[in-house]
Order: sequence, then structure tokens, then C-alpha cells
Amino acid sequence: QKEVEQDPGPLSVPEGAIVSLNCTYSNSAFQYFMWYRQYSRKGPELLMYTYSSGNKEDGRFTAQVDKSSKYISLFIRDSQPSDSATYLCAMSADAGNNRKLIWGLGTSLAVNP
Amino acid sequence: DSGVTQTPKHLITATGQRVTLRCSPRSGDLSVYWYQQSLDQGLQFLIQYYNGEERAKGNILERFSAQQFPDLHSELNLSSLELGDSALYFCASSAHRHTSTDTQYFGPGTRLTVL
Repeated sequence: QKEVEQDPGPLSVPEGAIVSLNCTYSNSAFQYFMWYRQYSRKGPELLMYTYSSGNKEDGRFTAQVDKSSKYISLFIRDSQPSDSATYLCAMSADAGNNRKLIWGLGTSLAVNP
Repeated sequence: DSGVTQTPKHLITATGQRVTLRCSPRSGDLSVYWYQQSLDQGLQFLIQYYNGEERAKGNILERFSAQQFPDLHSELNLSSLELGDSALYFCASSAHRHTSTDTQYFGPGTRLTVL
């Protein structure tokens, strides 16, 4: 079993839909949680960064962490075709220590106009 | 555009060969990370350099090596290539060794195909 599990999709939604992307993990020491977006033929780019439990909002994006369930989510409101990409979760127990990030395999999202 | 450049974009080679991938970090970034991305393994950290010195090793094979030069660009050398080495190779850079706000910026990647 992988330390971080992420449904690869693909997930296909109509424009304007609310999208929910999720990851589960097994290591209770994880405290730092990130969501990256990766467009086709591009490298990942950091979308959201959260520490411990709770919610964080940035525009149309909300990141949610439930440490008791070892479950993190990324919600996208009013989804746009430009949101079509692969979304990767990443997490670690060590603050800012990029080399210790554990990555999910990514969920492919298609937002249809 | 992240500011990180990687060359070449695509590389097709044969088993047993050796290739070199090149990365130029964002201006001012001292840390360079190399990653391998495959469909079944996802992103795997290979190695990190900070200001010319090796900082950490991840899941890097002995056939692979890297270095960071005085101008801070980095090269990843892959030798005795096998079919299973076919993957996307990403370079990322960040400003410092590691801090709580040290965002990584990824390059566009090099797609390696070993035939």
C-alpha cells in the first residue's frame, strides 16, 4: 500500500461545476499538505499549502485537511476549462523539506465547456 | 513560465546508452532538485544540490549521477540506460536549502524514451 493514495480519474465535469479532489494517506506524522497543478507537457506548480488540520481558501480553490481521517481535499468552485489539468497532492512530516515530500499519482481533471 | 529551463525537451535513445539532461534554475535560486515521473510511480525525488554541493539523495540509482556547477546550472547523467528508465525528468529550484516557505518551481521536464 502506498503512503499516499489518489484516484487517478479521469474526472470529467461541465464548466461551472464544483470539483472535489481527494487524497488519503497512512502516515499520521504528516503535517504539511500541498496541492500542485500540472498542465500537459508542463511541470507541477504549487496551488495550495496547508499545515495541520482545517481549511484554507484562495479564490475559487479551497484546501481541506482532516487529520483524524487522514484525508485531504481540494475543492474547485465554478470550474473553468482552464482548470483542466492533473492535480497532485504532496505531503510531508517535515516543514518545507521538499526532498521528503511524498506525492500522490495525480488526478486528471477535464472541465468541459 | 516558472523561470526554470530544461533541455532537451525530448530525448530518444537506445538501451545501454548514456544521456545528460540539463537544468538552469530560476535566477537567484540556490537549490536544485531532480525528479523522475512515471505513470505507475508518480513523482520520485532523485537528488538535491544546494549551491554546488550535494544536499540529499532520494531514490536515485547508482547508474545516475548529477552535479551543480558554479553558475548553479545542474546536469543529470543517466548511464547504462534500461527500458524502465523511460520517464519524464523534472528539475525544480528553490531559493534555499529548506524553509517553511521554500516553494519549489518546476521546469517543463525532459521526456526520455529508451528503446
